[in-house]
Amino acid sequence: NAGVTQTPKFRVLKTGQSMTLLCAQDMNHEYMYWYRQDPGMGLRLIHYSVGEGTTAKGEVPDGYNVSRLKKQNFLLGLESAAPSQTSVYFCASSYRGRAGLQETQYFGPGTRLLVL
Amino acid sequence: GEDVEQSLFLSVREGDSSVINCTYTDSSSTYLYWYKQEPGAGLQLLTYIFSNMDMKQDQRLTVLLNKKDKHLSLRIADTQTGDSAIYFCAERSMYSGGGADGLTFGKGTHLIIQP
Repeated sequence: NAGVTQTPKFRVLKTGQSMTLLCAQDMNHEYMYWYRQDPGMGLRLIHYSVGEGTTAKGEVPDGYNVSRLKKQNFLLGLESAAPSQTSVYFCASSYRGRAGLQETQYFGPGTRLLVL
Repeated sequence: GEDVEQSLFLSVREGDSSVINCTYTDSSSTYLYWYKQEPGAGLQLLTYIFSNMDMKQDQRLTVLLNKKDKHLSLRIADTQTGDSAIYFCAERSMYSGGGADGLTFGKGTHLIIQP
């Protein structure tokens, strides 16, 4: 049981390049999330998904797209990377609890992205 | 909107107790969490508390919740060098319709252990 895994662990991009970050979870969680962590800013929610085939915007969605084609995977895409997207990206997942509410979130180890 | 506040640094001596404080603004918070982040690592869930509780103890960790003042604290007894990390307070609110927005995090408290 690997929990939540993220690939790649580290990536350097040039401005304007595109890339996809992959998150995978083997806990059969319904809900998945992408956060970014910046110094002095805590974690901010980018996008989230409440189930296969559904996604929704979080606090800072601009410049990112996501897809949840399979329940266990949640992909975060940067179509045209900008230096402002230099950050550490964390994926998380959780069960759907009683009354449709989410339970505790479990986090992956993070992806460090540098955009030059 | 929702806001979660924490002090940025806390310095304690090894063996003493550490108390990390957090305040939040959303009165509809249902769950409150403490996460630990070691350097270069992801977030590790330490403990959480339901909003209808005022205390939860788990080995060296004690969580106190004052719902009236919207104040949450994490006490770590007998602080060790391995406790050196950033500690994040986070809260989740009740949404009508059972939405699943992510957690709202504080900016994190750096716990520094002095020998």
